Amino acid sequence: GENVEQHPSTLSVQEGDSAVIKCTYSDSASNYFPWYKQELGKRPQLIIDIRSNVGEKKDQRIAVTLNKTAKHFSLHITETQPEDSAVYFCAASVGKLIFGQGTELSVKP
Amino acid sequence: DVKVTQSSRYLVKRTGEKVFLECVQDMDHENMFWYRQDPGLGLRLIYFSYDVKMKEKGDIPEGYSVSREKKERFSLILESASTNQTSMYLCASSLAEKNTEAFFGQGTRLTVV
Repeated sequence: GENVEQHPSTLSVQEGDSAVIKCTYSDSASNYFPWYKQELGKRPQLIIDIRSNVGEKKDQRIAVTLNKTAKHFSLHITETQPEDSAVYFCAASVGKLIFGQGTELSVKP
Repeated sequence: DVKVTQSSRYLVKRTGEKVFLECVQDMDHENMFWYRQDPGLGLRLIYFSYDVKMKEKGDIPEGYSVSREKKERFSLILESASTNQTSMYLCASSLAEKNTEAFFGQGTRLTVV
């Protein structure tokens, strides 16, 4: 079955810096790659997703890139703000969503 | 606005008890999922269902079962709770079409003592 590896497990940046989180997947049939943000004590919520027919997608300060050949995808957050502090999960799907281990992002003011 | 509601926010049960975790969604979603969340392990899929009375095993089904008698409700059952099942349990739902957003419930923090 699908296996998703996510790195790093923790990430600390200064406010205004960029943050990058990387994921790899194993099943070449996976064709949907969402990213979820989970704030402390809250439920995970979708922040951006990308489908396999697209290489890059942007939404304001966040962007995702996908390399199908290498089977990896990344989340990029620019101009980080303290409210970006949260746990971020990547996932890969070929019907059911399989999640990575999560990255705890801390943005220091 | 999609609502996925889990019956309890916090639950404490004794070893060997039968435990029911309930999840209800109000958006007529066909797909429903149960995950458990543990630090450093992310969200691991326990069971999922694409239709009423249908269920499929996820990556860690051992010690769990599920029931989906109605489209809007998906129950996770711990037949005989053990301390290693202490965890955060998250329910999610999504439309039948592949590659659509999954909406999560608020989670149930289960402690087995």
